[in-house]
Amino acid sequence: GAGVSQSPSNKVTEKGKDVELRCDPISGHTALYWYRQSLGQGLEFLIYFQGNSAPDKSGLPSDRFSAERTGGSVSTLTIQRTQQEDSAVYLCASSERRIGANVLTFGAGSRLTVL
Amino acid sequence: SQKIEQNSEALNIQEGKTATLTCNYTNYSPAYLQWYRQDPGRGPVFLLLIRENEKEKRKERLKVTFDTTLKQSLFHITASQPADSATYLCALIGTNAGGTSYGKLTFGQGTILTVHP
Repeated sequence: GAGVSQSPSNKVTEKGKDVELRCDPISGHTALYWYRQSLGQGLEFLIYFQGNSAPDKSGLPSDRFSAERTGGSVSTLTIQRTQQEDSAVYLCASSERRIGANVLTFGAGSRLTVL
Repeated sequence: SQKIEQNSEALNIQEGKTATLTCNYTNYSPAYLQWYRQDPGRGPVFLLLIRENEKEKRKERLKVTFDTTLKQSLFHITASQPADSATYLCALIGTNAGGTSYGKLTFGQGTILTVHP
């Protein structure tokens, strides 16, 4: 596609429910990132996929968070048993894999509100 | 531990002046540094990339410097305009023990720039 597409753009859920957030990266981009941005805060790295390599999951805050990337394209971030502190904007980005220069193109984000 | 710090949370300047934003880092050996702009309700947008062997990079009214000795990058907007008002983020890629960069891009907390007419 022309840009990085994320869905849903807004999600309101009740504490304890599971949510799935979807990211459709730019066609041909081999790298895909998920970040979380709480209100007024910076970007918190969650997970990074690069081609067929094992993902870098070092930023996932707990085992309630997981992500997968199917066929090297679409990615889904799943949050199980949501908590109020999970409320944030979840941003996905993709990039071409270049030696020494991963320039990211971001989606508009999925705003999650946990009541 | 690795840390990226941007000089201030907010910067207010008058239209026409030069805005200067600072990004300091510790315990990184970055091959390059990036700057992004973020508008409310949107994802960050890439502006400029500067490599470790480049002292300065320019793009229209933007100028970035990179001092690997001071571990600092300065981001300048000359002849600033109200449309430049946004949050500006610096970002670095880490390197492993062997000095090879890997893909995880880490962002500073951002500086909110407001340009007053």
